[in-house]
Amino acid sequence: EAQVTQNPRYLITVTGKKLTVTCSQNMNHEYMSWYRQDPGLGLRQIYYSMNVEVTDKGDVPEGYKVSRKEKRNFPLILESPSPNQTSLYFCASRTAQARSGANVLTFGAGSRLTVL
Amino acid sequence: ILNVEQSPQSLHVQEGDSTNFTCSFPSSNFYALHWYRWETAKSPEALFVMTLNGDEKKKGRISATLNTKEGYSYLYIKGSQPEDSATYLCAFPTGTASKLTFGTGTRLQVTL
Repeated sequence: EAQVTQNPRYLITVTGKKLTVTCSQNMNHEYMSWYRQDPGLGLRQIYYSMNVEVTDKGDVPEGYKVSRKEKRNFPLILESPSPNQTSLYFCASRTAQARSGANVLTFGAGSRLTVL
Repeated sequence: ILNVEQSPQSLHVQEGDSTNFTCSFPSSNFYALHWYRWETAKSPEALFVMTLNGDEKKKGRISATLNTKEGYSYLYIKGSQPEDSATYLCAFPTGTASKLTFGTGTRLQVTL
């Protein structure tokens, strides 16, 4: 089954304790992206990657890091989490072929993170 | 940050009602317009992607239209059912189409 898998799905952590949210896709998609969802705000892009070793900032990258060493994986790293990073996080992927703006995203199930 | 606006923010209809909502986006540098359906406790799923002015897409009782010149898209649901209850998101690619900017969504609740 074609899917994007995120882990963990739920996490409660404390300020300053480094954490990584993993994301893996099995569709051979070139493009992967992280979003956060907060009440009253739309999905906001954190980072994206057009392909292996190619990453770039989205609209809200502060406090996050990413890496893309393999095509299928795109982990989101919070080096020193703070309470304002409490949010629902989604990883998504799509092909980057042809008219890439017209290729829809496939989303993971979401990771709900709480930073105390 | 690019503005993609959706209205209304929320909508409460009865089973069998038809409804529609709007997504407004900048009309310049148009690539495509995406619609996603997001049920509570699930992940957003793509409904449509629309690329040409005048595009109309349909999936069952849900359809969408696109006007790129004036920068809006309408999503219509005919004969709403409780299972249509969800948040409907539109999204607009920007830059080199590498970024997808989402609206805040229209939350639809359909009751019996």
